Amino acid sequence: NAGVTQTPKFRILKIGQSMTLQCTQDMNHNYMYWYRQDPGMGLKLIYYSVGAGITDKGEVPNGYNVSRSTTEDFPLRLELAAPSQTSVYFCASSYPVNGEAFFGQGTRLTVV
Amino acid sequence: GEDVEQSLFLSVREGDSSVINCTYTDSSSTYLYWYKQEPGAGLQLLTYIFSNMDMKQDQRLTVLLNKKDKHLSLRIADTQTGDSAIYFCAERSNSGYALNFGKGTSLLVTP
Repeated sequence: NAGVTQTPKFRILKIGQSMTLQCTQDMNHNYMYWYRQDPGMGLKLIYYSVGAGITDKGEVPNGYNVSRSTTEDFPLRLELAAPSQTSVYFCASSYPVNGEAFFGQGTRLTVV
Repeated sequence: GEDVEQSLFLSVREGDSSVINCTYTDSSSTYLYWYKQEPGAGLQLLTYIFSNMDMKQDQRLTVLLNKKDKHLSLRIADTQTGDSAIYFCAERSNSGYALNFGKGTSLLVTP
């Protein structure tokens, strides 16, 4: 049972480059999320989705975009990377009733 | 969003009990969660409690919820060195879809 799978695990980007962080889940969860984790700051919600074709902004959406064309996949796009986007990014999915969220292993992104 | 507050650091001796505390401000919170994060890994759900409960026990873990004071605690009995990790408290409000996390408590277990 794979759960939530994120790729890549590590990436270094130059300022102004773009990339897509991939996330897929095999639990048939409707709800999916992207969080970023900065040292000592907990997790901040970037975007979330309650089902295919539906996405909404979280607490810190600026500089990011998402799409949800299928139930399984929820990619996160960075269009013009900035040093402030250096962080660890976590994708998660959950059941709608109790919100029990399952997390991927994270993507450590450095923008230089 | 609403605030979830935790103390940042706790150190205990192996075999003792650990108590990690959390306070939250959203009175409409429906579910409250404890997650564990080991170095370089994602977050692993330890346990959760529904807001109409005041206690939940799961093996060495005991969760206490004081809804009046908006206080949540996680007690780990017979703490082991493998319990050293960061523990996150999180809440989900009745009006939200996502979880709102505290900054995490680093638990260090010494021999």
